[in-house]
Amino acid sequence: EDQVTQSPEALRLQEGESSSLNCSYTVSGLRGLFWYRQDPGKGPEFLFTLYSAGEEKEKERLKATLTKKESFLHITAPKPEDSATYLCAVQLPYKLSFGAGTTVTVRA
Amino acid sequence: EAGVVQSPRYKIIEKKQPVAFWCNPISGHNTLYWYLQNLGQGPELLIRYENEEAVDDSQLPKDRFSAERLKGVDSTLKIQPAELGDSAVYLCASSLDLTGASSTGELFFGEGSRLTVL
Repeated sequence: EDQVTQSPEALRLQEGESSSLNCSYTVSGLRGLFWYRQDPGKGPEFLFTLYSAGEEKEKERLKATLTKKESFLHITAPKPEDSATYLCAVQLPYKLSFGAGTTVTVRA
Repeated sequence: EAGVVQSPRYKIIEKKQPVAFWCNPISGHNTLYWYLQNLGQGPELLIRYENEEAVDDSQLPKDRFSAERLKGVDSTLKIQPAELGDSAVYLCASSLDLTGASSTGELFFGEGSRLTVL
């Protein structure tokens, strides 16, 4: 069965303290892996799509990487405005299947 | 460009009452999704429309949930009667192409409708 597991569930960081979020997946024939950011009371907002192992994408302080079994979202020198829930999702035929998310809190 | 619009943002009802949520997708997006998000969980697909046709409603509890997308634009999701366990956020999303994601793999989400059933 296709499955997406994110860890840790929650992450508390000091401003400037870099860290990584993990998304492991079991999918037959990955079509794409997506990262979304979700702020409280808002819908998910698209960040990245990765399609093949070894691929990397960056946006400001965020960098997403992909292997054959997992993806990492690296947050470099985070700021309080990076506080959010980060969701990963795998592309299945005609839909995205989401993990439960990692809630990141960055303290000033 | 206007994003996906949902209403109401918040709804509080008593159990056994009906409730309806409305979604207006991004103009030109032929694919529309309703997702359910429970607290602390990721979104789960309820139903997907390609234009006005519901092409995947396998996860929609059909005994109490119904949805429609008239003229292939706006969509309504209805629950009747609501149960305590239906308390959640109902997210609508849209995308451009028929494979379920645009060329960038992006689903555009609305802000969601938060339902509380008392």
